[in-house]
Amino acid sequence: NAGVTQTPKFRILKIGQSMTLQCTQDMNHNYMYWYRQDPGMGLKLIYYSVGAGITDKGEVPNGYNVSRSTTEDFPLRLELAAPSQTSVYFCASRDTGEGYNEQFFGPGTRLTVL
Amino acid sequence: GQQVMQIPQYQHVQEGEDFTTYCNSSTTLSNIQWYKQRPGGHPVFLIQLVKSGEVKKQKRLTFQFGEAKKNSSLHITATQTTDVGTYFCAAPSNTGKLIFGQGTTLQVKP
Repeated sequence: NAGVTQTPKFRILKIGQSMTLQCTQDMNHNYMYWYRQDPGMGLKLIYYSVGAGITDKGEVPNGYNVSRSTTEDFPLRLELAAPSQTSVYFCASRDTGEGYNEQFFGPGTRLTVL
Repeated sequence: GQQVMQIPQYQHVQEGEDFTTYCNSSTTLSNIQWYKQRPGGHPVFLIQLVKSGEVKKQKRLTFQFGEAKKNSSLHITATQTTDVGTYFCAAPSNTGKLIFGQGTTLQVKP
């Protein structure tokens, strides 16, 4: 299994541009998450999904959109990029089942908005 | 909303010294997880504690869950340079989200 994969690894955007960060997992996990991590800071939840067709906002959703048309994919869309969106973006997934299972994180996308 | 507070934010130790990070919640937790993030890397799951008073060990790492299930700690004995990174505690909310602490960044001087 590849686990959670993210593309691209790095990206530089100009203010006002848009882009989609891709996230795919091959573990058949229902739950998927998008986090952002600013330099030296913790993880802030942007959006999450409990299954295909179901998404919900986290603590910092403004400026982002998501969709979940399949179990495997959970893309994050940035519209009208702003310098405040410069960050590292992590996608994560977890299995459902008895108890609360660990989250598996992708390697991250490092985004700079200039 | 539910919060998980983690202290200290940073810790610098000499190689061979011990290290401890603490995690506190105002509410009772069903379980708590610990993750490690190496510099430039992504968070990686270390362990999950479920039972009141539970203690688990992984080589030089000792994890504890408080009796009231409101706090937890991670203790590293005789730190090594490979222990460098940020350690996060995290607790599940009742909506399927994982609430992360702010993390403790450990620097180890050789």
